[in-house]
Amino acid sequence: AQSVTQPDIHITVSEGASLELRCNYSYGATPYLFWYVQSPGQGLQLLLKYFSGDTLVQGIKGFEAEFKRSQSSFNLRKPSVHWSDAAEYFCALYLNAGNMLTFGGGTRLMVKP
Amino acid sequence: KAGVTQTPRYLIKTRGQQVTLSCSPISGHRSVSWYQQTPGQGLQFLFEYFSETQRNKGNFPGRFSGRQFSNSRSEMNVSTLELGDSALYLCASSLGGRGEQYFGPGTRLTVT
Repeated sequence: AQSVTQPDIHITVSEGASLELRCNYSYGATPYLFWYVQSPGQGLQLLLKYFSGDTLVQGIKGFEAEFKRSQSSFNLRKPSVHWSDAAEYFCALYLNAGNMLTFGGGTRLMVKP
Repeated sequence: KAGVTQTPRYLIKTRGQQVTLSCSPISGHRSVSWYQQTPGQGLQFLFEYFSETQRNKGNFPGRFSGRQFSNSRSEMNVSTLELGDSALYLCASSLGGRGEQYFGPGTRLTVT
């Protein structure tokens, strides 16, 4: 069965430090993968997407993610975190049969001043 | 382009009542999907509509239903509300292709 796992429920980093949020997926075919961010009380904003081709994809707000097929991972990175990045981050796998997204459990990011 | 809009943003209902939530997709998007978000279960897929037809449904009871109109706007209905239906209901629209879905701000439903 298809699934997405985000191993870290909470992560705290200092402002200006680098960030890596982990995402692992289970899917038999070529995955379409996404990262979304959710601020408190808000909907989900699309950060970046991977369909095929280059394994390093760039997104908005200075985020990037690297797709590694051998590790079934799609980790999100940012070189220098800003206080405004504090939010919850969701990794999602697109299932073509049904046009639906399967989400990981989310990682809540806290940023220390 | 305007984003996905959802109304109302907040709703308080009593057990046993029914509720209707509305979603207007991004102009030109023909696919609308609904998701339920709760602290315990996370984000779960409810159903997806494309050109007024339900193409896919998640694992939710029949009390949850939806429809889509010819202008792509969508509504979801929950009948006989239960306390466990308290959640943030998110609507997402897409062109119907490779899954790039754009989400609205959600409707926060509280059942008392």
